Amino acid sequence: DAGITQSPRHKVTETGTPVTLRCHQTENHRYMYWYRQDPGHGLRLIHYSYGVKDTDKGEVSDGYSVSRSKTEDFLLTLESATSSQTSVYFCAITSRVDYGYTFGSGTRLTVV
Amino acid sequence: QKEVEQNSGPLSVPEGAIASLNCTYSDRGSQSFFWYRQYSGKSPELIMSIYSNGDKEDGRFTAQLNKASQYVSLLIRDSQPSDSATYLCAVMVAGANSKLTFGKGITLSVRP
Repeated sequence: DAGITQSPRHKVTETGTPVTLRCHQTENHRYMYWYRQDPGHGLRLIHYSYGVKDTDKGEVSDGYSVSRSKTEDFLLTLESATSSQTSVYFCAITSRVDYGYTFGSGTRLTVV
Repeated sequence: QKEVEQNSGPLSVPEGAIASLNCTYSDRGSQSFFWYRQYSGKSPELIMSIYSNGDKEDGRFTAQLNKASQYVSLLIRDSQPSDSATYLCAVMVAGANSKLTFGKGITLSVRP
């Protein structure tokens, strides 16, 4: 999607290894979000950021950490990947909380 | 726990018909409401936002909001096969760093 990119697009990793997903935006938006999407659960918020170095937990934050050292980058780290973290991860951005979000193309992560 | 509920679906309509998608939410403090469309294997795309009671029309799409009854709906007129997708309802409670809560989505199939 224009202005927001996620990397990698696909990743297969082994149980117990750390994994970092990157979200990069060129829109200079203040707010950034990490969601995971699983069949039967829909989109669930993992972590979000409302500014550089300002982050907070979402509803499914266990096993994940985030960092935002620059406006344009929001990193999601799985500290020790587990099979339950196999999912599609979406990053989203917005300039105002009451505006809709723009989503990145997603990262499909498989933990074996 | 903020909840957003959508009909389980799937929903199948013939080409040219009106598709009606419904969503209810639990938090009376909800202020902003959104409909997203997600094609298989793609990221969610914002198609409608609505903030006040009543109807909002955009082309073949009409969003309807009734805060007293805590529901929001999406009508798709003259449904086309290209409308076949999963539709996600999202709700936001007012607040400085509020986040969207998503329903699980309903899959719409438009039969030629």
